[in-house]
Amino acid sequence: QSALTQPASVSGSPGQSITISCTGTNSDVGGHNYVSWYQQHPGKAPKFMIFEVSNRASGVSNRFSGSKSGNTASLTISGLQAEDEADYYCSSYTSSSALLFGGGTKLTVL
Amino acid sequence: QVQLQESGPGLVKPSESLSLTCTVSGGSISTFNWWSWVRQPPGKGLEWLGEIYHSGNTNYNQSLKSRVTISADKSKNQFSLRLSSVTVADTAVYYCARVARNGLDIWGQGTLVSVSS
Repeated sequence: QSALTQPASVSGSPGQSITISCTGTNSDVGGHNYVSWYQQHPGKAPKFMIFEVSNRASGVSNRFSGSKSGNTASLTISGLQAEDEADYYCSSYTSSSALLFGGGTKLTVL
Repeated sequence: QVQLQESGPGLVKPSESLSLTCTVSGGSISTFNWWSWVRQPPGKGLEWLGEIYHSGNTNYNQSLKSRVTISADKSKNQFSLRLSSVTVADTAVYYCARVARNGLDIWGQGTLVSVSS
């Protein structure tokens, strides 16, 4: 199975909002609400941010939100801060009980 | 709280097997959770390798299925990864993680495994 599709990079200025997309198929993203999002700073392990499309993990700022339409899930970060600069990955379980990741998106805060 | 820690050799020779163990502390692996392995080649993205339930049920990445084995030792509160016939392409940081809420909510710090002669 192919990885989920994410843009390679996005950027925004402090205070702005950005959205990262994650596109899959009817067998994964579009088939159920099992999409998660992770934040990864350089040299660190990924951090669980969003689960089941739109639920924030414990301790995650409400500036982070998730949504889904059809086969595409999205992560929106509002009020961008310098500390948000990181790589972001989406994941989705598939109908065959496999976990797929997106290729990752590098967020640059200008 | 639950913490995960990977351990194992940092260097493996080509064609040999890579073996890593994940030790779970602060909680039991015999809970209603699956336990997973993920890897990340240098400068690249995340790749799911597979997962195990404490009963021994497993799910694997089909692209690696013939080379991957994940097992669990409830007595030691550990689960393990074995990847056979490794090549340079298997050089990566290997993470263990807990599956919860249909995602990976707790991760180990990761361990770099290099494949080189």
